[in-house]
Amino acid sequence: DAGVTQSPTHLIKTRGQHVTLRCSPISGHKSVSWYQQVLGQGPQFIFQYYEKEERGRGNFPDRFSARQFPNYSSELNVNALLLGDSALYLCASSPIDQETQYFGPGTRLLVL
Amino acid sequence: KNEVEQSPQNLTAQEGEFITINCSYSVGISALHWLQQHPGGGIVSLFMLSSGKKKHGRLIATINIQEKHSSLHITASHPRDSAVYICAVRETGTASKLTFGTGTRLQVTL
Repeated sequence: DAGVTQSPTHLIKTRGQHVTLRCSPISGHKSVSWYQQVLGQGPQFIFQYYEKEERGRGNFPDRFSARQFPNYSSELNVNALLLGDSALYLCASSPIDQETQYFGPGTRLLVL
Repeated sequence: KNEVEQSPQNLTAQEGEFITINCSYSVGISALHWLQQHPGGGIVSLFMLSSGKKKHGRLIATINIQEKHSSLHITASHPRDSAVYICAVRETGTASKLTFGTGTRLQVTL
C-alpha cells in the first residue's frame, strides 16, 4: 500500500509569489495535518483537517490556507511568499482523529 | 521556554552502546510521540504512548505522566540508527495538533 505522497518534492519561488503544495494521504486515512520545518528546528503545526473540515490551526499568518477534498487529499496554499517561508513542508495522515500520524517525504520550498 | 524540551541536542556513540534520549514537556498531554527523521527529511513514527512503556526491537520508550517526562532508549546501537530523534506531544483538548521538540541528533560510529 502506498504511503503518504507529496508533490512537488522541491520548489523554488521568489518573494511575493504564491505556492500550492499537495498531499495524498494513505488510502482510508481521513485526517491530514500540515507542518512546517525550518532548517535546524522541529516541525511546527500549521493545519489539521478531518473529514474535510478544519480541526486545528497553528500560529501562522492568514497567508497560509489549506483545504481537504472529498477524496481526503489536501492542498496547502501560501500567498505573498517571504524569505522566511523557506522550509520543509510535511504532510501527515492518520486513519481517524488523534491516532498515530504517518508522514510524507515533504516538499522542500526555497524562496529567493 | 519551549513546551517540549529534549536532551541532549547532539549525541555521538560507538556501535553497541546503550543510548538514552530524554524529553520533558510542560503542558497536559493526551499522547506523546517519538519520531525518527533521516537526512533528506523523511519522518517515521516510532512510538505513540500515553502511559507506561513500549518496546519495538531494540527501541524502548517510557513515559512518566506525573513527572511529564519520557525517554527513548536504543540498545546495542548501530550506525544505521544515526538520525534525528524527535519528541512530540499532543496537548490535552487539541485535535491532532502535535507540538515538537527540536530533536536530538544521534551519530553512531563504528
